[in-house]
Amino acid sequence: DADVTQTPRNRITKTGKRIMLECSQTKGHDRMYWYRQDPGLGLRLIYYSFDVKDINKGEISDGYSVSRQAQAKFSLSLESAIPNQTALYFCATSASRAGNIQYFGAGTRLSVL
Amino acid sequence: GEDVEQSLFLSVREGDSSVINCTYTDSSSTYLYWYKQEPGAGLQLLTYIFSNMDMKQDQRLTVLLNKKDKHLSLRIADTQTGDSAIYFCAENFSGTYKYIFGTGTRLKVLA
Repeated sequence: DADVTQTPRNRITKTGKRIMLECSQTKGHDRMYWYRQDPGLGLRLIYYSFDVKDINKGEISDGYSVSRQAQAKFSLSLESAIPNQTALYFCATSASRAGNIQYFGAGTRLSVL
Repeated sequence: GEDVEQSLFLSVREGDSSVINCTYTDSSSTYLYWYKQEPGAGLQLLTYIFSNMDMKQDQRLTVLLNKKDKHLSLRIADTQTGDSAIYFCAENFSGTYKYIFGTGTRLKVLA
């Protein structure tokens, strides 16, 4: 089983709909992140959380919100989806130890029509 | 400034060596990483190097770091068709949330 699990893997929705992307991890890491990937732009940080009570905006948080329901769960919501939010979304985790390595989920491909 | 640059494409023949290059502009980064992304999958860590190192070797992979020129490279020896993927370099500033990713290099291995 994957250490970082994202659901759904694919989602098609319509403009104006609210949707939630979910992420859970079994790595026991305290830090979790949400990124979006667009062709030619690499990964851009949406939100990050260093523990359950710590939520922070990343570079492109407008139009998104998050919830850290437990140490192992971090969900991303699009309050009112728009077409330019069509992208590949990744959840990642890390621990504050040597290497600061991030571990990624398999991604959610979201299309907003 | 914070920017990580990579060339977009690289094509090599099976059995040759591949060298993927990356330049970064922030000398305060502590760790530098190479990730591999296969179609339909997330980013998988290949290797990483601490900023006070010049080189790291791990089986077919060799990472070279030139801090003076802010240049990071990944050499894959005896490249195989299974190495075809997108490769991302990334940097992290120790203890912080900030990871800066390059735009990725698509490696195509020709049989």
